[in-house]
Amino acid sequence: AQSVTQLDSQVPVFEEAPVELRCNYSSSVSVYLFWYVQYPNQGLQLLLKYLSGSTLVKGINGFEAEFNKSQTSFHLRKPSVHISDTAEYFCAVGPAGNNRKLIWGLGTSLAVNP
Amino acid sequence: SQTIHQWPATLVQPVGSPLSLECTVEGTSNPNLYWYRQAAGRGLQLLFYSVGIGQISSEVPQNLSASRPQDRQFILSSKKLLLSDSGFYLCAWSPDTGELFFGEGSRLTVL
Repeated sequence: AQSVTQLDSQVPVFEEAPVELRCNYSSSVSVYLFWYVQYPNQGLQLLLKYLSGSTLVKGINGFEAEFNKSQTSFHLRKPSVHISDTAEYFCAVGPAGNNRKLIWGLGTSLAVNP
Repeated sequence: SQTIHQWPATLVQPVGSPLSLECTVEGTSNPNLYWYRQAAGRGLQLLFYSVGIGQISSEVPQNLSASRPQDRQFILSSKKLLLSDSGFYLCAWSPDTGELFFGEGSRLTVL
């Protein structure tokens, strides 16, 4: 079975500062890893995904994440955040090739302040 | 390109009333379809999953049901709503593997 832990429920940060949103997982099988963003009262939008290959994954809006198999982590980073990045961010993990078994973190609320 | 739409966007219903939320996908055929519920502070909970017309898998026991009358249409229903059914409902589709693509969501308040 898989599990996902988003280590911070809330992350406040000032505009133009770097940010890291942390995600740890556990799994006994190969996994796919995802980060999604949700703006208020909207659906979720894919930021980036790791399926295989390079462990550094680049996504939309300047975000990137690094898959670390030894530490079972998939932390999301952005070197300089904008006010518009204020949103809820979700990490999801699932067995490779089976979307029905995706396990979701509880989310990290990113608040970018001027 | 593929698009997904769900409606209504917001709904306020009394306890015991019926429910129908609809979701349609355009630009793809035979998608995998999902209904999720999102409650505050509890992440996303998968409710139903469908791989084809008339094929529905229920992930949790509840008083909700789902149907897939057409290839790209997915409906979430209830005959009698409970207070605990309140939440934000999300429809999603996926190709055979990889990421999910979500609709805009439907916020249900049961009073």
